[in-house]
Amino acid sequence: EAGVTQFPSHSVIEKGQTVTLRCDPISGHDNLYWYRRVMGKEIKFLLHFVKESKQDESGMPNNRFLAERTGGTYSTLKVQPAELEDSGVYFCASSQERQTNEKLFFGSGTQLSVL
Amino acid sequence: QKEVEQDPGPLSVPEGAIVSLNCTYSNSAFQYFMWYRQYSRKGPELLMYTYSSGNKEDGRFTAQVDKSSKYISLFIRDSQPSDSATYLCAMSVWLTGGGNKLTFGTGTQLKVEL
Repeated sequence: EAGVTQFPSHSVIEKGQTVTLRCDPISGHDNLYWYRRVMGKEIKFLLHFVKESKQDESGMPNNRFLAERTGGTYSTLKVQPAELEDSGVYFCASSQERQTNEKLFFGSGTQLSVL
Repeated sequence: QKEVEQDPGPLSVPEGAIVSLNCTYSNSAFQYFMWYRQYSRKGPELLMYTYSSGNKEDGRFTAQVDKSSKYISLFIRDSQPSDSATYLCAMSVWLTGGGNKLTFGTGTQLKVEL
């Protein structure tokens, strides 16, 4: 069974440019989460989808970030325009059931560098 | 003040040693406590999950939670070089609308040497 797939694995862009990150969750997983780790800091929650619906986007830093999940399958996270402080590793995670003991499967992350 | 505090290390131990990793937290609302292992250039992988005070054992790993002290630990017995990784504690509150929003510690880098 394929795991959570994220691409690109690395992205280097200049300040002001646009970047789109993609996440393919494990097939059949309704829950999809985005997390981010900025250099030297802890991994932080960005948002949560259940199928195509955003359940909680309280962790999104500002309106330069837009997440979508078309048809409840893969998800994209767009940053437009990118700023220096957006650099970090963006993780996607998915889970099958909405239970309190749900097990989150994480992708390997996208390393974003904004120069 | 951070909600979850974790010593970043690095921690270096000889093969076969018992490793103790710890986190403290300030949010009494946390209900679920997890330990993740992260290898270089990989995503976090769930190791242990618990929701009550006490100990939970799985092979060489034991997770310990003390809610009264807001303190959790992970013990690794007979440590192996393959255990070398970053260990992240994580805690969560189950949201009314569903979903497990995790709050992570910064992670402790562990190296087990031959």
